[in-house]
Amino acid sequence: QSALTQPRSVSGSPGQSVTISCTGTNNDVGAYSYVSWYQQRPGKAPELVIYDVTERPSGVTDRFSGSKSGNTASLTISGLQDEDEADYYCCSFRFAGTWVFGGGTKVTVL
Amino acid sequence: EVQLVESGGNLVQPGGSLRLSCEASGFDFSKYWMTWARQAPGKGLEWVANIRQDGSEKAYVDSVKGRFTISRDNVRKSLYLQMNSLRVEDTAVYYCVRALVGTSGWAWGQGTLVTVSS
Repeated sequence: QSALTQPRSVSGSPGQSVTISCTGTNNDVGAYSYVSWYQQRPGKAPELVIYDVTERPSGVTDRFSGSKSGNTASLTISGLQDEDEADYYCCSFRFAGTWVFGGGTKVTVL
Repeated sequence: EVQLVESGGNLVQPGGSLRLSCEASGFDFSKYWMTWARQAPGKGLEWVANIRQDGSEKAYVDSVKGRFTISRDNVRKSLYLQMNSLRVEDTAVYYCVRALVGTSGWAWGQGTLVTVSS
């Protein structure tokens, strides 16, 4: 069960926008609108920032947005801030009731 | 307040067994699918298993099939993971996870560390 493909790292200056891609297959990202994104800071549990491809949970800043095209989902962070520096993971439903994560992307604020 | 508290993590030798528990509070446990996920030291997240509200459906990642068993007790509001034939590569922080919003939005416990080493 291969993981979804994410870039290992992305970086940007404060105020810029960065986009993280998450590439899967026709059996997961491409087949279902059940993609979520999690932010994880060192030593902490993951926290939800986007669910069901584009939805933002209550309390999460609108600087986070999600989208999907074909087999690739994306997370965009607009107006990058120091507090956004963290690891980000995508997750997708896969056939047969299973789920799969991406390998994770480290976001660095320059 | 929604809380998921994992316990049972420990140091165990290869080939050994361990049972993890997750005690839930602050929500109607019986109404939610529940999930175990894990994260090896310095590595990414990995989905491990999930279980339907009434326990009638379960699914596992290939690497643990036949070795791990997920179960739940809705009266005790608890989720379990029985881990047998443990391998060094099972070393990880194990998280208890529940549905929070929508279908793919999850909330996570703080995790419990399992170390498999001789």
